[in-house]
Amino acid sequence: DQQVKQNSPSLSVQEGRISILNCDYTNSMFDYFLWYKKYPAEGPTFLISISSIKDKNEDGRFTVFLNKSAKHLSLHIVPSQPGDSAVYFCAAKDTDKLIFGTGTRLQVFP
Amino acid sequence: KAGVTQTPRYLIKTRGQQVTLSCSPISGHRSVSWYQQTPGQGLQFLFEYFSETQRNKGNFPGRFSGRQFSNSRSEMNVSTLELGDSALYLCASSTGTLSYNSPLHFGNGTRLTVT
Repeated sequence: DQQVKQNSPSLSVQEGRISILNCDYTNSMFDYFLWYKKYPAEGPTFLISISSIKDKNEDGRFTVFLNKSAKHLSLHIVPSQPGDSAVYFCAAKDTDKLIFGTGTRLQVFP
Repeated sequence: KAGVTQTPRYLIKTRGQQVTLSCSPISGHRSVSWYQQTPGQGLQFLFEYFSETQRNKGNFPGRFSGRQFSNSRSEMNVSTLELGDSALYLCASSTGTLSYNSPLHFGNGTRLTVT
């Protein structure tokens, strides 16, 4: 049973526009959420995180929003750049391990 | 500071064989965790080691095992390989255990192909 779901396997966005990547989870006990970005042939790299006591965290072009009642988080990238083209994984912390979603492939075109 | 190093990068094995993958964490990091990435399944947690002790294990059969040495380097072993074990195996290190909110630093992975 997938506790962290990324229902959109892919997303295509024009350069300069906003990219919105979504993630849903089922366990209300998750208390910390993270986003990772992965380029081909490389390991995932940490992007941004949010604690369950917050509803928003911003870092430059990246903002993560958390809606606990809906068990939903989203990653906003503004403005999107071609270098943002990668696979994005959301992850939730479950006591002593991270549970990852299946990833969303973002393509930013000129 | 050197990143997380995984060796080898690529491996081709035959069904029934066994394989050992290696991971050297970032200097000073004592937690090493392992993940399996397959298409459509995302990253599945295998296990975490901290100070040479396995702290937690995911939902994988006993054919998957690991260990950690006193210098924090870790190895993962898969015995009696099956075709379904073909995947990218990623290791990650962090300063604290996964119980803490320390971001993981991943290696580039070992691509295992079982024929």
